[in-house]
Amino acid sequence: DTAVSQTPKYLVTQMGNDKSIKCEQNLGHDTMYWYKQDSKKFLKIMFSYNNKELIINETVPNRFSPKSPDKAHLNLHINSLELGDSAVYFCASSTGRSGNTIYFGEGSWLTVV
Amino acid sequence: RKEVEQDPGPFNVPEGATVAFNCTYSNSASQSFFWYRQDCRKEPKLLMSVYSSGNEDGRFTAQLNRASQYISLLIRDSKLSDSATYLCVVNSNYQLIWGAGTKLIIKP
Repeated sequence: DTAVSQTPKYLVTQMGNDKSIKCEQNLGHDTMYWYKQDSKKFLKIMFSYNNKELIINETVPNRFSPKSPDKAHLNLHINSLELGDSAVYFCASSTGRSGNTIYFGEGSWLTVV
Repeated sequence: RKEVEQDPGPFNVPEGATVAFNCTYSNSASQSFFWYRQDCRKEPKLLMSVYSSGNEDGRFTAQLNRASQYISLLIRDSKLSDSATYLCVVNSNYQLIWGAGTKLIIKP
């Protein structure tokens, strides 16, 4: 019954590796997001998709590539991981493009060593 | 000036007390406002929307002051379970801008 689910929840990996985080929502929402929350607790939007179309692409290194195979899924692939990529990555979804109530997944704790 | 600013705290408050904190925003054309709550090592969850006339949900009261460009959250009769970080969110130009959060610690 989890509304927004993302996997893996914890990921420890070495610098230079490539990793993916998967996200799925069963709420029927049109819009999905990836947020990054760093050690200082700032929550920053990275990407937003509406019906599989990229609508927000903040200043994020191009090592980060989102992919939305359908409107219920939004995956995040990260190439050549760096120490500074260590953070919590939250997937989220909402109805409409202007936000309304955003429902978050439980987060994926990424640690790059 | 940051688009959305909050006092990071922590606010240490005894159980049963009333606590209030504000959030200022820079874009006077901002359309909608929200308070989210984030528990330690958990995801943010919507606490309440903030309406122009102010709104109340149980012990929680949210208010908007457009003239001074801030929103506020008041918690009455605080409970230990209210300990969390409270995130202010502003819808500005159809994008959600998040504050860094105010940490609240309720002490027995």
